[in-house]
Amino acid sequence: QKEVEQDPGPLSVPEGAIVSLNCTYSNSAFQYFMWYRQYSRKGPELLMYTYSSGNKEDGRFTAQVDKSSKYISLFIRDSQPSDSATYLCAMTHSGAGSYQLTFGKGTKLSVIP
Amino acid sequence: DTEVTQTPKHLVMGMTNKKSLKCEQHMGHRAMYWYKQKAKKPPELMFVYSYEKLSINESVPSRFSPECPNSSLLNLHLHALQPEDSALYLCASSQVSNGGETQYFGPGTRLLVL
Repeated sequence: QKEVEQDPGPLSVPEGAIVSLNCTYSNSAFQYFMWYRQYSRKGPELLMYTYSSGNKEDGRFTAQVDKSSKYISLFIRDSQPSDSATYLCAMTHSGAGSYQLTFGKGTKLSVIP
Repeated sequence: DTEVTQTPKHLVMGMTNKKSLKCEQHMGHRAMYWYKQKAKKPPELMFVYSYEKLSINESVPSRFSPECPNSSLLNLHLHALQPEDSALYLCASSQVSNGGETQYFGPGTRLLVL
């Protein structure tokens, strides 16, 4: 089982829809959870990061972490064509002398006008 | 300012060439990273510098040689690359917050090895 699982899609939704993107993970040592957006041929751009279980909201984006289920989500409200991109979840844990950052495979999202 | 800059944006090189990729950040981050990203794949970690010292080398071939001249700059020296090394090379820097790390990426250098 891979440490981080993310459905690669592609996911196609009409403009204005609510988008739900998800990742599951198996390593309970992960402490810090991030969502990145990557446009074609560009570097990943940090969208949201959370440390604890619960919800975090920023504009049209809501990140949700459920550590008990090892499940994280990113919701996009009122989706726009400009949201069309690949969305990568990422998780980290660090300890004495070690560091791990693991990305999901990314979900390709298309928002159709 | 959460900007990480990388130069050049594009690079084409032959297998006998020597070139360097550059990365710069002025956010005061003390950890910097090089990643390699192939098409339709997530970024793969290559090197981690912490306080200007190489702390992680993910078994990267010696034809890739990282250098961290100071806390704001990170270089990746390239020599005798192979066509399969063609990829997007991403630099990132990170800050520690609430016990975790948040990485900020540069736009990347798209490398083509002929």
